[in-house]
This record gives sequence, structure tokens and C-alpha cells, in this order.
Amino acid sequence: KQEVTQIPAALSVPEGENLVLNCSFTDSAIYNLQWFRQDPGKGLTSLLLIQSSQREQTSGRLNASLDKSSGRSTLYIAASQPGDSATYLCAVISSGSARQLTFGSGTQLTVLP
Amino acid sequence: DAGVIQSPRHEVTEMGQEVTLRCKPISGHDYLFWYRQTMMRGLELLIYFNNNVPIDDSGMPEDRFSAKMPNASFSTLKIQPSEPRDSAVYFCASSLMPSTDTQYFGPGTRLTVL
Repeated sequence: KQEVTQIPAALSVPEGENLVLNCSFTDSAIYNLQWFRQDPGKGLTSLLLIQSSQREQTSGRLNASLDKSSGRSTLYIAASQPGDSATYLCAVISSGSARQLTFGSGTQLTVLP
Repeated sequence: DAGVIQSPRHEVTEMGQEVTLRCKPISGHDYLFWYRQTMMRGLELLIYFNNNVPIDDSGMPEDRFSAKMPNASFSTLKIQPSEPRDSAVYFCASSLMPSTDTQYFGPGTRLTVL
């Protein structure tokens, strides 16, 4: 059974700092890995999707990498802003699980002005 | 497109009552998912549909939970009878092809069972 772990559970940084969020998964047979953002009381917003054949994806100040063989992904946020404060969730679709997303427990990020 | 629409946004009910949550997926999406989010267990998939047909309901916690998708633009999740431990945020999501495309989430329904 696929398990997804995110470290750290919470992170607080001053504005302007570059930061890295970590995600690991136990079964490397995946279709894709996705990073989502969740604001308090809101739904999930997709940030980046990396297919299993890809190594990284970039969108603006965000860069996500995928090392499938080691079961790891990182989300890099450059020049953090207070508006980046949210919970970031990593999720994978495993090859053997049809279309089911397995989520990590998230990293709660606070960017201090 | 307005995105995935869920109603109601908030529901407060008493134990033993029937609760019905509703979802309208993004037009053209063939897959619809129901998730539940709690502090203790995080986000869990309850059930998903492909072309209106339930494919995997192994995440449905008990027989008290049921889900239907009578057509491509509407789905319901019903809890009967409701219990306090059902209190959670329930999300609906839709997707074109989950193996290659992202899932788009609705705003969720916050359910409180007293």
C-alpha cells in the first residue's frame, strides 16, 4: 500500500527566503506526482503535476522535482511571500491503484512579513 | 467553466439525521471523486466514478455511506444515519484522465454532526 510522507509538518520563514518542502513515497511505481496548495477553509488548488517520466516542473517561483527511484519529490519556492502561507500537500497516483490519489499529511507554511 | 461546485458549503445536523451532499463536476470530465478530510486521517478517497459508473468504493467507511451519479453533471454523497464521527470536510473533485491530468477540487462541504 502506497504511503506518502511530508517533512516538515510545519515551517515558518521570513519573507524573501527560498525554501524547500519534502515529500517521500514508498512505492516508486507511480503515474504522476502532484503538489497542491490548500488555504484555510478552502479546497485544494493544483500547483504542479510531474509525470513519472519527467524530472521536474516549473511554474513561476515554484519548481518541483521528482526522483522516482528514490521515492522523493521536493517543492522549491523562491523568494517567498506572505501570500504563499498555506498548507502544501503532495499526492501520487500509483500505477496499481487505478486513479486514486494518495495524499501526504501536508506541510503548513507560514511566511512572516 | 465555474469549476467544481459543491453544496451546501456548511451543514450542521443532529446525530441520526440523513445528510446529502451534492456535487457538479467540470463539464466534460469523465472522472468524479469524493474525498473526506479530517485532522486525524488527512485526505482520504471515499469513492470514484468513471463515466457515471462507480469504480472503487473501498474507501466508503460503512454502509451508512452511499454515493450516486445519475448523470454526467451531478453526484450525491449520502450519510444515513449520521454520527458525530462523520464530522469532516467532504470534497468532490473531477478530472479528464487522472493518470495524466490533475484533479480539480471543489470548495468542500463542512459537515458537523452534533
